[in-house]
Amino acid sequence: GAGVSQSPRYKVAKRGQDVALRCDPISGHVSLFWYQQALGQGPEFLTYFQNEAQLDKSGLPSDRFFAERPEGSVSTLKIQRTQQEDSAVYLCASSLVGGIHEQYFGPGTRLTVT
Amino acid sequence: RKEVEQDPGPFNVPEGATVAFNCTYSNSASQSFFWYRQDCRKEPKLLMSVYSSGNEDGRFTAQLNRASQYISLLIRDSKLSDSATYLCVARVPYGGSQGNLIFGKGTKLSVKP
Repeated sequence: GAGVSQSPRYKVAKRGQDVALRCDPISGHVSLFWYQQALGQGPEFLTYFQNEAQLDKSGLPSDRFFAERPEGSVSTLKIQRTQQEDSAVYLCASSLVGGIHEQYFGPGTRLTVT
Repeated sequence: RKEVEQDPGPFNVPEGATVAFNCTYSNSASQSFFWYRQDCRKEPKLLMSVYSSGNEDGRFTAQLNRASQYISLLIRDSKLSDSATYLCVARVPYGGSQGNLIFGKGTKLSVKP
């Protein structure tokens, strides 16, 4: 079956622009996670949804970062007024329910802020 | 200090070699552990879970020592296709997901012919 998909795969933004990154989880997966992976680092947790509820946003680095999943399926990660330090790969993962089940990752969106 | 630490490598080994990766974690309440594999410019994929009793999957053996807070991955008879970055992961008992995943930086392995 289809895995997690993300779009766009690559995004170049000028400093100060807003960007929106999309994630389509595996059908039927209740849980959705966003991670940020900087060059040479492991993924770092940003936020978690169970259905449409955002249960944990402790990893969001600033109030410029906002995520939503209004119908409990597709999710969007929005970054306002992008800064150079936001340049990273943004990974989305989904799982059946919660952190106990295996998380399946999408291919990521590589964001470059110039 | 990062919660999960591992030697970044790179480990450059010939085909057929045995290679071992080590990882330490700082949160003694961590509940479960995994090794993920990440190919260049690709997403991480679960390689195997790590159990206290040690577990094996073909050429791969994972070990956990809770007393020392230490995890290892052994790859025997390495293949060219094993070249990748190996991420050590701990599931910690906090977060709305009933446990967030904490990733190490990864250890890069390059297997040469």
